[in-house]
Amino acid sequence: DTAVSQTPKYLVTQMGNDKSIKCEQNLGHDTMYWYKQDSKKFLKIMFSYNNKELIINETVPNRFSPKSPDKAHLNLHINSLELGDSAVYFCASSQDLGSIYYGYTFGSGTRLTVV
Amino acid sequence: RKEVEQDPGPFNVPEGATVAFNCTYSNSASQSFFWYRQDCRKEPKLLMSVYSSGNEDGRFTAQLNRASQYISLLIRDSKLSDSATYLCVVGGDQTGANNLFFGTGTRLTVIP
Repeated sequence: DTAVSQTPKYLVTQMGNDKSIKCEQNLGHDTMYWYKQDSKKFLKIMFSYNNKELIINETVPNRFSPKSPDKAHLNLHINSLELGDSAVYFCASSQDLGSIYYGYTFGSGTRLTVV
Repeated sequence: RKEVEQDPGPFNVPEGATVAFNCTYSNSASQSFFWYRQDCRKEPKLLMSVYSSGNEDGRFTAQLNRASQYISLLIRDSKLSDSATYLCVVGGDQTGANNLFFGTGTRLTVIP
């Protein structure tokens, strides 16, 4: 009964490929996020979705596109992968917009390696 | 300037020691403060929220100084299982932006 689950856990792919990472939460939360953790362990938000609407879109390349079919799912699609995209991508969810006060629940991460 | 800055570490302490981590944040309008713990190759997990009056959870004590924009975490009687990276996290401002900013973390190793 994983609260926030991501697949795949590991992803190795060649430059130029297109790949997707899936995320699902069974907590009934309204808001979901994608974070990127680089080699220096710095966690930076990429996107957040609230009730299927994008509410934050940081300055990430447009090769990255979040897709949310419903509030329990937030997938991340990446086009034309580059070496610099190698990182760990974490999905997270929070109860609602006010849950900056309660923190987020993270998935176990997807380790992406672009070769 | 980074939103959240932490002691770089690493901290290597013997079992039973007391260790303190510090963190500063840049946005004076921030409204929420947390400490997260991240084990090697795992996801961040909420350790505790940090309240203005300071708060304690077992061996862990968190303090917030809004005037200095400074947050601390004190761990007493360190256990081997406390070995992890501790992330200082700051969120929210008066515009209601729903975002958490993470520090780069301080690595703790508790030695037998």
